[in-house]
Amino acid sequence: QKEVEQDPGPLSVPEGAIVSLNCTYSNSAFQYFMWYRQYSRKGPELLMYTYSSGNKEDGRFTAQVDKSSKYISLFIRDSQPSDSATYLCAMSTLGGGADGLTFGKGTHLIIQP
Amino acid sequence: DSGVTQTPKHLITATGQRVTLRCSPRSGDLSVYWYQQSLDQGLQFLIQYYNGEERAKGNILERFSAQQFPDLHSELNLSSLELGDSALYFCASSVDWRLAATDTQYFGPGTRLTVL
Repeated sequence: QKEVEQDPGPLSVPEGAIVSLNCTYSNSAFQYFMWYRQYSRKGPELLMYTYSSGNKEDGRFTAQVDKSSKYISLFIRDSQPSDSATYLCAMSTLGGGADGLTFGKGTHLIIQP
Repeated sequence: DSGVTQTPKHLITATGQRVTLRCSPRSGDLSVYWYQQSLDQGLQFLIQYYNGEERAKGNILERFSAQQFPDLHSELNLSSLELGDSALYFCASSVDWRLAATDTQYFGPGTRLTVL
């Protein structure tokens, strides 16, 4: 079993829909959780960064962390074709920069115009 | 644009050869990280340097090595290359790991390595 599991997709939804992306993990020591967006042939771009359990909102994006279930989610409201990309969840035990991040393999999201 | 730069963008070489990938972190960032991204393994952490010193090691092969120079740029050296080393190699940087809850990693555009 990998430390972080993420459905690779592809996930295809119509423009304007609410998108839900998820990751599960097995290491209960993870405390810092991130979502990165990666366009084809580009580097990952940080979208959201949360500590411990709870919700965090930034514009159309909401990140949720449920440590009791070892489950994290990213919601995208009013999805746009420009949101089409691969979304990677990432985790750390000691902090976003303390050591290397553990990534899920990414979910490929397609927003249909 | 994250502010992290990597050269070269593409590299094509043969098995058994040695290559060097270069990374310049964002201005003011003290930590540099190297990652390998392949289709089957995803994005995997290789090694971290902080202010010139090695700080953390991940799944880095013995054939691979890295260093961070006084001007904080970093190089990743890959030797005795094998077909399976073909991948995207990313560098990331962050301000200072001691900031813990607020320190985050920003990724460069990557170097695509093809071993023939």
